[in-house]
Amino acid sequence: GNSVTQMEGPVTLSEEAFLTINCTYTATGYPSLFWYVQYPGEGLQLLLKATKADDKGSNKGFEATYRKETTSFHLEKGSVQVSDSAVYFCALSGDSGGYQKVTFGTGTKLQVIP
Amino acid sequence: EAQVTQNPRYLITVTGKKLTVTCSQNMNHEYMSWYRQDPGLGLRQIYYSMNVEVTDKGDVPEGYKVSRKEKRNFPLILESPSPNQTSLYFCASSPRAKAGFTTGGNEQFFGPGTRLTVL
Repeated sequence: GNSVTQMEGPVTLSEEAFLTINCTYTATGYPSLFWYVQYPGEGLQLLLKATKADDKGSNKGFEATYRKETTSFHLEKGSVQVSDSAVYFCALSGDSGGYQKVTFGTGTKLQVIP
Repeated sequence: EAQVTQNPRYLITVTGKKLTVTCSQNMNHEYMSWYRQDPGLGLRQIYYSMNVEVTDKGDVPEGYKVSRKEKRNFPLILESPSPNQTSLYFCASSPRAKAGFTTGGNEQFFGPGTRLTVL
């Protein structure tokens, strides 16, 4: 079956530091890849997505590139802010008998300190 | 405002007392799902629905029931809750994949979550 592996947290960074959160996946076919963010006390919301190989998703200064050769979708941001503190989930959506089943990673907690 | 709503947001109950968590979406989405979130395990899918009267098991369906009588509503039912069902629950909806797209998927829209404690 499909699976998503993302780096363990928590990740603690100083404001303006560079962020990388690693994500690798196992899937059959051609899944779509997503990063979701969960702020404290809230549900998940889509941060960015990519639907085919070499696509780059971007939003709010975050970027991730769909790398089929390495089965990866690493999340990056050049300069983090305190407001980026949240839990980040990598996910993939793939065909499962006509239904687009979504598989999530375990989440990586990011804490940004001033 | 497009949204997914869940009620209640917080619930403390006792073992064996039947409960229902409601979920409603106003985006006319075909797909709806329930997930539970537990530390170190991420989100795991409990049940999903592809349309009215069409539901199927996810990865962790034991102890749960669902129904989809209307397109907008997808309640989660715990007939006899047990302490191992203490968790944070999320409902989500998504539109059907666009015609001609046989792979990949669409964004999921999540509700705010229901924190359930079973004593």
